[in-house]
Amino acid sequence: EDKVVQSPLSLVVHEGDTVTLNCSYEVTNFRSLLWYKQEKKAPTFLFMLTSSGIEKKSGRLSSILDKKELSSILNITATQTGDSAIYLCADYSGSYQLTFGKGTKLSVIP
Amino acid sequence: EPEVTQTPSHQVTQMGQEVILRCVPISNHLYFYWYRQILGQKVEFLVSFYNNEISEKSEIFDDQFSVERPDGSNFTLKIRSTKLEDSAMYFCASSSWTREQPQHFGDGTRLSIL
Repeated sequence: EDKVVQSPLSLVVHEGDTVTLNCSYEVTNFRSLLWYKQEKKAPTFLFMLTSSGIEKKSGRLSSILDKKELSSILNITATQTGDSAIYLCADYSGSYQLTFGKGTKLSVIP
Repeated sequence: EPEVTQTPSHQVTQMGQEVILRCVPISNHLYFYWYRQILGQKVEFLVSFYNNEISEKSEIFDDQFSVERPDGSNFTLKIRSTKLEDSAMYFCASSSWTREQPQHFGDGTRLSIL
């Protein structure tokens, strides 16, 4: 049974579109939720969320956590071809390992 | 910006052979991790390491695996007798003085077992 569930699994959009990626997690000993961007190699850290309702923002990317709904969203506005990647959601729950979801593969076409 | 570095980028090994994957974590980080990603699957936790000992390990991390910090900079993962199913991308990660900080990943070593 998956503890971290991401949706959609893949998404194709045109440059300039806004996208919303979803992540849900289990509540057991939740500590924080992290978003990573994986292009060809290393997952690159984007955001770490611990408090509900507080938006984190970096340029065109933003993310927010909803502890009541056990979920998080990652928004990307004005998408560019360079945003094409797999976006990974992971949680620190209980222990200190990261538990990853399967990822959302985003393809941005010109 | 400081980064985690891993060598080699690609390792090809015969089944049954031992392999050592190397990592240099970010210099002021104290917590170190190994993850693996089998092609097309999720990134999976293997082991975490702090203060020269394993702090956690997953079910995947059985007796054929070991980790070591042989000096002040390197962090290694050894697989003693490789199996075909060990073929995967292995990522090293590190985090700073508290575990509740983001983990930063290296570019990975692609391990291919023949």
